[in-house]
Amino acid sequence: AQSVTQLDSHVSVSEGTPVLLRCNYSSSYSPSLFWYVQHPNKGLQLLLKYTSAATLVKGINGFEAEFKKSETSFHLTKPSAHMSDAAEYFCVVLSGGSNYKLTFGKGTLLTVNP
Amino acid sequence: DGGITQSPKYLFRKEGQNVTLSCEQNLNHDAMYWYRQDPGQGLRLIYYSQIVNDFQKGDIAEGYSVSREKKESFPLTVTSAQKNPTAFYLCASQPLGSYNEQFFGPGTRLTVL
Repeated sequence: AQSVTQLDSHVSVSEGTPVLLRCNYSSSYSPSLFWYVQHPNKGLQLLLKYTSAATLVKGINGFEAEFKKSETSFHLTKPSAHMSDAAEYFCVVLSGGSNYKLTFGKGTLLTVNP
Repeated sequence: DGGITQSPKYLFRKEGQNVTLSCEQNLNHDAMYWYRQDPGQGLRLIYYSQIVNDFQKGDIAEGYSVSREKKESFPLTVTSAQKNPTAFYLCASQPLGSYNEQFFGPGTRLTVL
C-alpha cells in the first residue's frame, strides 16, 4: 500500500522569499515520486520527478526536491518565490509494483504576497 | 502541436441526464486515464485504459462508463447513476514503461443543475 501526506494545506510567502512545500510518503516498494503544479481551472503540469537516480532533483521554474529515504520525505523548495508561482501543488507517488497507479496528496495551495 | 485536449471546458447538466466528456491525445501514448478532482481531496482515479478495446475500473468507477475504440480517444460518460457528479474532470495519458509520468489535459468542469 502507498500513501502521500502533504503536511500543509496552505502556505503563504512573500515574493522573493524561499518556498518550502512538505511531502511525506509511504510505499511498500522503492517509489517514484513526482511534484505537479495546477493553476486555477487548468490541468496538472509536471514540475519534477524522482526515479531512483540522483536524490536531489531539479525541475522547471527553479524548483527542486530532495528524496530522503530515511525520513520518507520529498519536500519541494524554491529559493525565491515569484508571483507566478501562486498555484496548487500536488505530491504524487507511483508504486514500484505498478507502472500506472498514482497516489495523489491532497494538495498545498501556495499564495505569494507582493 | 502535441498534447491532450478535453472538451468542453465547462459543461452543465440537468439531473437525470447522461453526459459525455471528450478526451483526445496525439502523443501516441498507449495508456489513458480519467480522474475526478474535488476541492481538498486531490485526484481520484475513475477508469484507465492501457490498450485499445480494454479498460479497467479505478477507485471510484460507479456511475461512470468509458470506451477505448481508438488509441487517441478515451471518452467518459457520466451517467444518471452518479449521485454527485459536480466536479472537475481530468484526463491524462502516459507512455507505457517504467516510472513514466502522466500528462494531463486542461480539464472539464461539470456542474449539475
